[in-house]
Amino acid sequence: DIQMTQSPSSLSASVGDRITITCRASQRIYNYLNWYQQKPEKAPKLLIYSASTLQSGVPSRFSGSGSGTDYTLTISSLQPEDFATYYCQQSYLTPLTFGGGTKVDSK
Amino acid sequence: EVQLVESGGGLVQPGGSLRLSCTASTFILSDFWMHWVRQTPGKGLVWVAHVNPDETTRRYADSVKGRFTISRDTAKNTVYLQMSSLRGDDTAVYYCTRDPGGYGQHGMDVWGQGTTVSVSS
Repeated sequence: DIQMTQSPSSLSASVGDRITITCRASQRIYNYLNWYQQKPEKAPKLLIYSASTLQSGVPSRFSGSGSGTDYTLTISSLQPEDFATYYCQQSYLTPLTFGGGTKVDSK
Repeated sequence: EVQLVESGGGLVQPGGSLRLSCTASTFILSDFWMHWVRQTPGKGLVWVAHVNPDETTRRYADSVKGRFTISRDTAKNTVYLQMSSLRGDDTAVYYCTRDPGGYGQHGMDVWGQGTTVSVSS
């Protein structure tokens, strides 16, 4: 199975900050990498698929990049509604696997 | 609004069975790959199973293989997860998700609200 390692596991930030979350796969996944946002007691929401394609309706402050085994999610200017937990997920091979999550909270 | 609605969760004893259902009212489920994903506080998000539109492809996580079955009822616009020989580590919130691209390659773009399964004596 492909292991997905996210870092950091948590971070504290302020509104307006630029934040970056990293996801590393245990093998190359050829940009088959998706990012989700989850708020407490809610289902995850797709933000980015194929490493860098913004899902319809997602604000442009979210962006994704990367290649090979290393991928990043960047929020260019953190907004109050962005405090949440973020997960990466590889879709290169079954079983699909998720990272452990990065919790973004208010500094 | 595009949405999925799960049902069927509950409390069940170890070794018991449960069937989860996932329905949609605003789109045709059989046009899409569909997945089940579960979440526990300790283990985060875990993919459980998927099925392609014509049910010729079904895949399962090793942890549920031989115990869980994913299926569709096209007439009822419903996807099911039949769970048997349930164990304590199956306790989780189970989400039904839609996959527009196949094999999850374009992500899971619609998620249900989740249904809770608790396995305990």
